[in-house]
Amino acid sequence: GQNIDQPTEMTATEGAIVQINCTYQTSGFNGLFWYQQHAGEAPTFLSYNVLDGLEEKGRFSSFLSRSKGYSYLLLKELQMKDSASYLCAVRDLPDTGGFKTIFGAGTRLFVKA
Amino acid sequence: EAQVTQNPRYLITVTGKKLTVTCSQNMNHEYMSWYRQDPGLGLRQIYYSMNVEVTDKGDVPEGYKVSRKEKRNFPLILESPSPNQTSLYFCASSLSGTSGGLEQFFGPGTRLTVL
Repeated sequence: GQNIDQPTEMTATEGAIVQINCTYQTSGFNGLFWYQQHAGEAPTFLSYNVLDGLEEKGRFSSFLSRSKGYSYLLLKELQMKDSASYLCAVRDLPDTGGFKTIFGAGTRLFVKA
Repeated sequence: EAQVTQNPRYLITVTGKKLTVTCSQNMNHEYMSWYRQDPGLGLRQIYYSMNVEVTDKGDVPEGYKVSRKEKRNFPLILESPSPNQTSLYFCASSLSGTSGGLEQFFGPGTRLTVL
């Protein structure tokens, strides 16, 4: 089966660092995405990993281990505006061609002062 | 402005009354997709299209149809809506379905209620 797991909720303090984990089991794998979604809005792209290792982009970093089926999103110097849901998504390659995107249920992050 | 647009943004309808939700992008993207988002379930892919006249099922295609006659448009059709199709729907597009430019840009969403 196909499964993507991430914690439902996390709380962190302004200025701190938070790590949001994602584990996946999919029939195919061709990359992992992280998206941010503020309440009532559409998701917006944060990062894409296809090779193992850490990708850094400003305050946000994303890590991938394909052998472990594991990724994390690291948010540094947290700001109140980072309060949002963070969605982990896997690019799956079905036998029929093309690519499907499978999303986890999302992690709702609360940043407190 | 580069964007994905959806119409309508809100719709309340009754069981069995056919409806179409339109999606259009002005970025010349090859890949387009429809998702539904339900509490606790996250985003689930309904259909996707790798390019014009190429469409395929996602994980929850039952009760939906799509077409891709032009590159910019990807309408979602509910032939006979049922209450279990009440949801928030997002259209998304990306430059490519194969390599490079894989990140998806999402439309603002359509909140559908089927009574």
